[in-house]
Amino acid sequence: DAGVIQSPRHEVTEMGQEVTLRCKPISGHNSLFWYRQTMMRGLELLIYFNNNVPIDDSGMPEDRFSAKMPNASFSTLKIQPSEPRDSAVYFCASSRTGYGYTFGSGTRLTVV
Amino acid sequence: GNSVTQMEGPVTLSEEAFLTINCTYTATGYPSLFWYVQYPGEGLQLLLKATKADDKGSNKGFEATYRKETTSFHLEKGSVQVSDSAVYFCALIQPVKTSYDKVIFGPGTSLSVIP
Repeated sequence: DAGVIQSPRHEVTEMGQEVTLRCKPISGHNSLFWYRQTMMRGLELLIYFNNNVPIDDSGMPEDRFSAKMPNASFSTLKIQPSEPRDSAVYFCASSRTGYGYTFGSGTRLTVV
Repeated sequence: GNSVTQMEGPVTLSEEAFLTINCTYTATGYPSLFWYVQYPGEGLQLLLKATKADDKGSNKGFEATYRKETTSFHLEKGSVQVSDSAVYFCALIQPVKTSYDKVIFGPGTSLSVIP
C-alpha cells in the first residue's frame, strides 16, 4: 500500500496565479479530507468528502478555494487567485469508517 | 460541541526522561480516542488508539488509557529518545450514524528531546 499520495511536495508561485494541489487516497477508503496547517492557526479542516460527495466545506476560507473529487481515487484543491496568506502546508487524508485517518506527506505552498 | 484540549507546549525533556502529555476531551456518548504524531516535515501518523472506556492503547513504548470518569487520554512514555521529538496531537471521533468519521484534533503539543 503506497499510502496517501500528494503532489507536488513543494510549490512556489507568484501572487495571483492559480495553484492546484492533488491527492490520491488509499484504495478502499471512503472518505477524504483536506487540511491546512500553519504556525499561527495549527491544523484546520478545509473540506471533506464521503463517497466522492462533498459533505462539509465550511472550513474553506473563501471563494478563491475550491475542491473536487471526480472519482474515488483522485481529488484536487485549487486556489485561484493565490495570495501570500495562503502559504501553508496542505494535507490530504483518507479514511475507512472506524479506522482513523491516514495522512499524506503534504504540499508546502509558498506564495510570493 | 465536541472538543479536545491538550497541555500547551513546547515540552523539552532530556533523553530517558519520563513523558506525560495531558489530553482531555468533551463529547457525548463514547468517542474513540487517538494520538497522532507529526515528525518534522511529515504528515500526521496514527500512534495509538482506544475505542472504549478503560482501554489502553500502546505503540513504540507510548501508552494512553481511556478514562471516561475524568474524560482524559493522557499520553505517557517511560523513557524518551531524541527520535521522539515531534508534535503530538490528541484526537477523537464522535460516533454518529453516518458512513464517515470526522476526527476532532487538539491543537498539538510540541516535544523536544535533548541528548
